[in-house]
Amino acid sequence: DAGVIQSPRHEVTEMGQEVTLRCKPISGHNSLFWYRQTMMRGLELLIYFNNNVPIDDSGMPEDRFSAKMPNASFSTLKIQPSEPRDSAVYFCASSFGQGGSYEQYFGPGTRLTVT
Amino acid sequence: GQQVMQIPQYQHVQEGEDFTTYCNSSTTLSNIQWYKQRPGGHPVFLIQLVKSGEVKKQKRLTFQFGEAKKNSSLHITATQTTDVGTYFCAGPRYGNKLVFGAGTILRVKS
Repeated sequence: DAGVIQSPRHEVTEMGQEVTLRCKPISGHNSLFWYRQTMMRGLELLIYFNNNVPIDDSGMPEDRFSAKMPNASFSTLKIQPSEPRDSAVYFCASSFGQGGSYEQYFGPGTRLTVT
Repeated sequence: GQQVMQIPQYQHVQEGEDFTTYCNSSTTLSNIQWYKQRPGGHPVFLIQLVKSGEVKKQKRLTFQFGEAKKNSSLHITATQTTDVGTYFCAGPRYGNKLVFGAGTILRVKS
């Protein structure tokens, strides 16, 4: 299996621009998670889906952030408009089973820099 | 709210020395998971503990889950340079979200 695939691996953009991060979970996994990692705040869960349905988006920082999962093999995290404080590494993870009782497989991450 | 606290924040050891990181929860956990993140990498699942008082070993790594299922530890015997990275514990919150501790950064001097 190829593991969780994320693209792009690096993104540098200017403040105000739209950013779209993409994720392909491991085939057969039915839960997908978006995390953000910074030195200051550590690893934060932004949103998670189960069977393509958003279950908990309480970690999404504000309306500038949105996430979709149109099918079992693809998810996007969009930031519009982006701000410098959004600079972080964004990880997508997937698991077989719902939520906190199953091991999660992380993708390589997207390092986002907003100037 | 339900928190997972992890100590120490950082540890720098001489190669061959032992290392331990501790994880504490304010509430009882149904399970606890441990992950390792190498510098520049992504978190990788190490193990899950489910039973009260459970102890599991992976080569030089020993994982324990407390009797009250509120704390856990990871102990590495005779550290090697390949052990460097950040070790995270994580526990489920309100049943379905993993909450990660802040992590312990391990550096090993050779």
